[in-house]
Amino acid sequence: SQQGEEDPQALSIQEGENATMNCSYKTSINNLQWYRQNSGRGLVHLILIRSNEREKHSGRLRVTLDTSKKSSSLLITASRAADTASYFCATADGGGGSEKLVFGKGTKLTVNP
Amino acid sequence: GAGVSQSPRYKVAKRGQDVALRCDPISGHVSLFWYQQALGQGPEFLTYFQNEAQLDKSGLPSDRFFAERPEGSVSTLKIQRTQQEDSAVYLCASSLLVWRSYNSPLHFGNGTRLTVT
Repeated sequence: SQQGEEDPQALSIQEGENATMNCSYKTSINNLQWYRQNSGRGLVHLILIRSNEREKHSGRLRVTLDTSKKSSSLLITASRAADTASYFCATADGGGGSEKLVFGKGTKLTVNP
Repeated sequence: GAGVSQSPRYKVAKRGQDVALRCDPISGHVSLFWYQQALGQGPEFLTYFQNEAQLDKSGLPSDRFFAERPEGSVSTLKIQRTQQEDSAVYLCASSLLVWRSYNSPLHFGNGTRLTVT
């Protein structure tokens, strides 16, 4: 079963605009990760934020985590056509259950040149 | 060196046939995962190996699915008597360390797209 729920399911923007994707989850977590998947390819790890962190940056990426609301957001600034991909959040169970990484359904981002 | 390699890239099987999907993880990676990804969905966990030991197979959908990693490197996912609902992309991922939810990220292969006709 999938724990994370990304929102929106699809997002279309113009090059240069910012893109924001949200993820909500249900159980307690040790960390939350964001991955990107280009069409027909495997997933690529983007960023990991631990449960005791509130915000993290990596290049044009900014991730926030609100454990009280069980939600995270991924912001891509100054988007480029090459950012077109599906983005998934993934959580690792921190409640003593299986520690496997559980993925959401993803947000499909299209950046128009 | 190279990333995670999966073969074949595409596989078409007639319903009832057996298939074997191969994963070559990054050399030295201890942890290996198999995921199943249906069209338009996120990856769903199938099974996890730590070296040659299969520590979690809770995601395997039925006893037709079997995975092995006999020498702690290459892994094979076998599906017996394939059915149409098995059509999906099968992704393999590896991680350098013994898997704990708070450490290293996963490195994915490009997957095998299985179509059962």
